[in-house]
Amino acid sequence: SQQGEEDPQALSIQEGENATMNCSYKTSINNLQWYRQNSGRGLVHLILIRSNEREKHSGRLRVTLDTSKKSSSLLITASRAADTASYFCATLHSGYSTLTFGKGTMLLVSP
Amino acid sequence: EAGVTQSPTHLIKTRGQQATLRCSPISGHTSVYWYQQALGLGLQFLLWYDEGEERNRGNFPPRFSGRQFPNYSSELNVNALELEDSALYLCASSLVTSGLYNEQFFGPGTRLTVL
Repeated sequence: SQQGEEDPQALSIQEGENATMNCSYKTSINNLQWYRQNSGRGLVHLILIRSNEREKHSGRLRVTLDTSKKSSSLLITASRAADTASYFCATLHSGYSTLTFGKGTMLLVSP
Repeated sequence: EAGVTQSPTHLIKTRGQQATLRCSPISGHTSVYWYQQALGLGLQFLLWYDEGEERNRGNFPPRFSGRQFPNYSSELNVNALELEDSALYLCASSLVTSGLYNEQFFGPGTRLTVL
């Protein structure tokens, strides 16, 4: 299976702390994307990192990609209660045109 | 700009019935994707339509089918419903399908419950 896997499955932190989520995959990719989902609703695209990029920033988000280890991490700095959601990584694999999603990390940020 | 819309929001059916779910992509997007999100299973890719053609389908039985209309809206049909079909069905649309960039914009989903 090409499916990515997020780690941890669930993460509970206090407001102001940083949250780090990891994603691993099995086959070579064109790009990797992170999405956020609130309470079983639609997903919101957060950030896309291409296979030739190593790090990308967007506001309080920082994504890294290590293609040699086939892994990525999403860092949310200075977390807020509103960041509480499920976070999914999705990979676009070489030779395919559809995304493969992991099972997600549930993040709970307590005030 | 309007986002991806899906209807209905909730759908309750009984085993053996058929369900029809609808999706309207963002204006200008030609690709529509369908996903199933069952409890504890993450998002499972169902179908991809582009320019009216089915381009790819996931590992689902043939009773899951759909189509894309000339205005790029799409319909997902699930025949002979089974209890395990109960899930959130998400539709997404995208503009670029070159394989290099594939940012997808998701609708709010249709919650299908099979009794």
